[in-house]
Amino acid sequence: GENVEQHPSTLSVQEGDSAVIKCTYSDSASNYFPWYKQELGKGPQLIIDIRSNVGEKKDQRIAVTLNKTAKHFSLHITETQPEDSAVYFCAASERRDKIIFGKGTRLHILP
Amino acid sequence: KAGVTQTPRYLIKTRGQQVTLSCSPISGHRSVSWYQQTPGQGLQFLFEYFSETQRNKGNFPGRFSGRQFSNSRSEMNVSTLELGDSALYLCASSAGTGFEQYFGPGTRLTVT
Repeated sequence: GENVEQHPSTLSVQEGDSAVIKCTYSDSASNYFPWYKQELGKGPQLIIDIRSNVGEKKDQRIAVTLNKTAKHFSLHITETQPEDSAVYFCAASERRDKIIFGKGTRLHILP
Repeated sequence: KAGVTQTPRYLIKTRGQQVTLSCSPISGHRSVSWYQQTPGQGLQFLFEYFSETQRNKGNFPGRFSGRQFSNSRSEMNVSTLELGDSALYLCASSAGTGFEQYFGPGTRLTVT
């Protein structure tokens, strides 16, 4: 069945450094790849997404890259700040109404 | 515009009981999806409703059911609760197929 693998499960980076989270997916029909940020006590918040016809998308300090051939996609956060500390989820979907999530990455920004 | 609201936020139930959770989507959104979040399994898709019809369903037993009303509000029901049903239940709304999903804060269900 559909599966999304996410690595690492925990990531600690110094404030100001970059963070990279990687995901792979199994369903070649997937064409929509959102990333969510979840803070304590809150639901996941969509931070960026990419469609399969695009290789890279950037929004200020956040960027996502997609390699459809290898079925890999990654989240890059530059110039990390304390408020970036949260759990990040990658996801893949053929239809935006049924999304398969990775297990999440807990990102710690160290002072 | 108000976000997705879920009630109640916290719930404690006993094994064997049943529970109903409620979700009010963003105004104008017609699609509501439900997810179960646990530390071990992560976020798992339960089902999705659009215009009062269930369009998609995940791999959960029949004890998990839902419905959607004409005003797009949705309810999820779990019957004969098991300890393993303890989880954060999240609902997400979207304007429809092809649009982004927006999540509510979730209902934390504890089964004792």
